[in-house]
Amino acid sequence: AQKVTQAQTEISVVEKEDVTLDCVYETRDTTYYLFWYKQPPSGELVFLIRRNSFDEQNEISGRYSWNFQKSTSSFNFTITASQVVDSAVYFCALRETGANSKLTFGKGITLSVRP
Amino acid sequence: NAGVTQTPKFQVLKTGQSMTLQCAQDMNHEYMSWYRQDPGMGLRLIHYSVGAGITDQGEVPNGYNVSRSTTEDFPLRLLSAAPSQTSVYFCASSYWPYRNNQPQHFGDGTRLSIL
Repeated sequence: AQKVTQAQTEISVVEKEDVTLDCVYETRDTTYYLFWYKQPPSGELVFLIRRNSFDEQNEISGRYSWNFQKSTSSFNFTITASQVVDSAVYFCALRETGANSKLTFGKGITLSVRP
Repeated sequence: NAGVTQTPKFQVLKTGQSMTLQCAQDMNHEYMSWYRQDPGMGLRLIHYSVGAGITDQGEVPNGYNVSRSTTEDFPLRLLSAAPSQTSVYFCASSYWPYRNNQPQHFGDGTRLSIL
């Protein structure tokens, strides 16, 4: 069965610090998709990034970067020079292919960025 | 575009009452799902559907019923509300099976309290 583990539950940093959010997943599929979502204090879920299992290229988007490593089943998310607006709950999620194709979430990491 | 619309946004029920949480999407997505979000638990899948007339159970289906009579709508029914069902409920939709690497679109959530 698929599983997503976000071992960190809460992280607190001071503004401008870099922070890495860890995500480890389990799946038996060879083709799968990984996602990161952000949930700000207002409560909505905001899609950040999707990664296909056959594409291990890391990605950078502004202050955000993602490190996908199949060898360690990890898909970590780094925020560089954090800002107060980055304060949110961040979820990593996994979706397998096939008939069920359910999206499984980790328990989330609460990030607090202090000014 | 409306995307995924959930109603109501807030609801307070008494134990034993029934109600239906509404979810509608206008993107012609085949796949729709319901999650509940509880502190420290992440998002857990309640029920999902891969098309009109097809539904299946997720991780925490007990106490909830669903039906899918149209592509657009996927209501979630609580037949006899219990305090353990106090939670925030999210509806989501996406393409399936093709393009199922696309992210799920989430509604804004329904905050439900059972007294």
